[in-house]
Amino acid sequence: AQTVTQSQPEMSVQEAETVTLSCTYDTSESDYYLFWYKQPPSRQMILVIRQEAYKQQNATENRFSVNFQKAAKSFSLKISDSQLGDAAMYFCAGNQGGKLIFGQGTELSVKP
Amino acid sequence: GAVVSQHPSRVICKSGTSVKIECRSLDFQATTMFWYRQFPKKSLMLMATSNEGSKATYEQGVEKDKFLINHASLTLSTLTVTSAHPEDSSFYICSARGASLDRGYGYTFGSGTRLTVV
Repeated sequence: AQTVTQSQPEMSVQEAETVTLSCTYDTSESDYYLFWYKQPPSRQMILVIRQEAYKQQNATENRFSVNFQKAAKSFSLKISDSQLGDAAMYFCAGNQGGKLIFGQGTELSVKP
Repeated sequence: GAVVSQHPSRVICKSGTSVKIECRSLDFQATTMFWYRQFPKKSLMLMATSNEGSKATYEQGVEKDKFLINHASLTLSTLTVTSAHPEDSSFYICSARGASLDRGYGYTFGSGTRLTVV
C-alpha cells in the first residue's frame, strides 16, 4: 500500500521569499502520479501541481515547482516569491490503485 | 474544467437521525467517486470508493452500515450518515473521477460538507 509522509506540520515564510515543503512516499506501483494540493481556509481542495513518475523533468507551474527524486522517493514543493494568498494547508498526495492517498499536511503561514 | 458540486455545505442534525450528503459531477461523467473525512487541521482520510452501479468499497475501519454510499448514476453519489452521533461530526469531502479524464488530472473535489451532530 502507498504511504505519503509530510514531516513538517508547520512552516513559515516571509513574503517574497522562497519556501520548500517536504514529502516522501512509498508505493508498489511502477507508474504513478504525485500531487500537491492547497487547502485554504475555505477548505476547497485546489490542485497546485502534479508530477508523472515516468517523467524525469520536474514539473513547474508559475511560482510553484517540484523537486522529484524518484530513487529517494522524495517529492518536495518549492514556492518562490511567496504571497500572502499562499497561506494555507498543503497536502502531498499520490495515487495508488486509482485512489488518492494524502500526507499529513503542512500548514504554511506567510509573514508580511 | 471539471466541476463537482457538493451539498449541503453545512448541516446540523440531532443525534440518532440520518443525514444525506450529495456529490454531483456537473460537466463530466464520474465513473468513480471517493468520500473523505477530515478532522480540523488533519489530513483527508479516505472512507470509501464507489463505482457507478456497483457497491462501494470501504477502507479498513470504516463502518459500512453507518456510512451508506450510493452511486446510482454517472453524475451523482450520495453519502448517508445513519443514526448520527456527536462523534460523527466532521468535514466530509467528495472527489470524482471520469473515465475519459487523464488519470493524473482526474481527481476533482467538491467543496465539502461540515456535519455537526448535536
